[in-house]
Amino acid sequence: NAGVTQTPKFQVLKTGQSMTLQCAQDMNHEYMSWYRQDPGMGLRLIHYSVGAGITDQGEVPNGYNVSRSTTEDFPLRLLSAAPSQTSVYFCASSLDREPSYEQYFGPGTRLTVT
Amino acid sequence: AQSVSQHNHHVILSEAASLELGCNYSYGGTVNLFWYVQYPGQHLQLLLKYFSGDPLVKGIKGFEAEFIKSKFSFNLRKPSVQWSDTAEYFCAVNAQGNNRLAFGKGNQVVVIP
Repeated sequence: NAGVTQTPKFQVLKTGQSMTLQCAQDMNHEYMSWYRQDPGMGLRLIHYSVGAGITDQGEVPNGYNVSRSTTEDFPLRLLSAAPSQTSVYFCASSLDREPSYEQYFGPGTRLTVT
Repeated sequence: AQSVSQHNHHVILSEAASLELGCNYSYGGTVNLFWYVQYPGQHLQLLLKYFSGDPLVKGIKGFEAEFIKSKFSFNLRKPSVQWSDTAEYFCAVNAQGNNRLAFGKGNQVVVIP
């Protein structure tokens, strides 16, 4: 049981490049989400999904796309990277029912956009 | 939507000192409350959680938190910290029936040996 895995761990992009951050979980969790962490800002929700084929926007969705074709995977796409997207990105998953809303986090991807 | 406030973003204390981190949330309905810890270079781990029942919740590594509904607070405490407690601590809340977590901005805690 690997939990929540993310790849890559580190990435440097040039402004305007695109890339996909991968996230997978093997706990059969319905709910998956992406956060970005910036110093002094805590974690902010980018997008989330309550099941395959269902996604929705969080607090800071602009510049990011997601899809959920399987229960296990929830990739995050940066369409045209900007320096403001330099951040640490965390994926999380949980069951989508009471009382088990505890979210399990992946190890993170540190992204730098130059 | 719910929001979470954490004060005293940077906390420096000596080993064996007591730690208390404040967390206040704003939301009129029933909530679930969490404290997560992030050790340097690591991902977030759950310290403790409150869903219902006894408002005094005990978590891992000697941490506890008390939910005071009338004050919309969920403060974290540890009677005697260790150097290994150096980390960033995040309070989070979601509305019952809704999985979306709102996080506070975190408390950076440094414990000096």
